[in-house]
Amino acid sequence: DGGITQSPKYLFRKEGQNVTLSCEQNLNHDAMYWYRQDPGQGLRLIYYSQIVNDFQKGDIAEGYSVSREKKESFPLTVTSAQKNPTAFYLCASSIRQGGGYTFGSGTRLTVV
Amino acid sequence: AQSVTQLGSHVSVSEGALVLLRCNYSSSVPPYLFWYVQYPNQGLQLLLKYTTGATLVKGINGFEAEFKKSETSFHLTKPSAHMSDAAEYFCAVAESGGSQGNLIFGKGTKLSVKP
Repeated sequence: DGGITQSPKYLFRKEGQNVTLSCEQNLNHDAMYWYRQDPGQGLRLIYYSQIVNDFQKGDIAEGYSVSREKKESFPLTVTSAQKNPTAFYLCASSIRQGGGYTFGSGTRLTVV
Repeated sequence: AQSVTQLGSHVSVSEGALVLLRCNYSSSVPPYLFWYVQYPNQGLQLLLKYTTGATLVKGINGFEAEFKKSETSFHLTKPSAHMSDAAEYFCAVAESGGSQGNLIFGKGTKLSVKP
């Protein structure tokens, strides 16, 4: 079955370390997105990509980086510059406007 | 600029009672509107969407929503709540036409269902 896979489900890292979250989709969707979710704050857009080898900053891109070398993959790196990285991270994809997003099951990152 | 307002961060209903979750949006062009549901520690799942055509939209799990342009609203309803409906619900809006627009999400409404 087609879908989006985020891995790992839970991730623990020490403060000051970079960490990369994986997002893979086999839906043949062109666009992919990364959101951060904190209690009571809804979903905040970090980065998005409409096509391969191109991506744009969202509302809270500082301290994060992405790449889009393949249509199926959109990894997110949380760098040591991100001041408060502990959060639930969601990846999504869409095929076209009006089609809505398909979400992965999320990665909960805890930095200690 | 588009925006979405969900009235009430927490809503509590009794099992069997009507569920009403409110969503108001602002958009300078005809919108696409969505409702998503999120269970704890999971991703979001699409409940229903409005793009064009009939303004009353039916979704999964017995939910429905009505697009009211004059009120800029897209409230989510279910006639009879079930315990399994307890979750967080997000309303989202996107601009129609032209280049592909990103979804703008509301802050969510957490639904509790009392036995």
